[in-house]
Amino acid sequence: DADVTQTPRNRITKTGKRIMLECSQTKGHDRMYWYRQDPGLGLRLIYYSFDVKDINKGEISDGYSVSRQAQAKFSLSLESAIPNQTALYFCATSDSDLAGGLDTQYFGPGTRLTVL
Amino acid sequence: RKEVEQDPGPFNVPEGATVAFNCTYSNSASQSFFWYRQDCRKEPKLLMSVYSSGNEDGRFTAQLNRASQYISLLIRDSKLSDSATYLCVVNNDYKLSFGAGTTVTVRA
Repeated sequence: DADVTQTPRNRITKTGKRIMLECSQTKGHDRMYWYRQDPGLGLRLIYYSFDVKDINKGEISDGYSVSRQAQAKFSLSLESAIPNQTALYFCATSDSDLAGGLDTQYFGPGTRLTVL
Repeated sequence: RKEVEQDPGPFNVPEGATVAFNCTYSNSASQSFFWYRQDCRKEPKLLMSVYSSGNEDGRFTAQLNRASQYISLLIRDSKLSDSATYLCVVNNDYKLSFGAGTTVTVRA
């Protein structure tokens, strides 16, 4: 079974609709992240959470909101979807490497979202 | 200026060749550095961390130059399975900044 799962894997929706993307992890990590990826651009951070009571905006949070329901679950919502939110969305988790302080992130399989 | 910049390629090389590429980063206070691999719009996966002294993992060698703020990746004896997009990633306060990726295609 995958350590980081995302649902749905693909979604087509219309402008103005509310959409929720869900992420679950079984790695026991405290930190979770949402990114979007567009062609020719690197992954861009939307929101991140370092524990259940911690939510932080990333570089492109406008038009998005998140909910950290439990250590293992982190949901991303588009309150009113617009076409330029068409992208590939990735959830990721991490836990600090205690030895080196490096922050390896583990990604889910992605959700391909199309907003018409 | 982007936080992490990479030559997008593509680098098209024959099997067995050596291929190398760099990325540059803008934040001199960045704490740690990585190369991730991404296949066909699938999820990125960690290829290797990059240490100040340089490090190898099999056919892959990574180098970090903090003074010039660049990171390099060298792949020796390229395999068909090395065809992928390689993402340069920089850690700033536990948030990762990603380059757009360098595409490598290894041909038979």
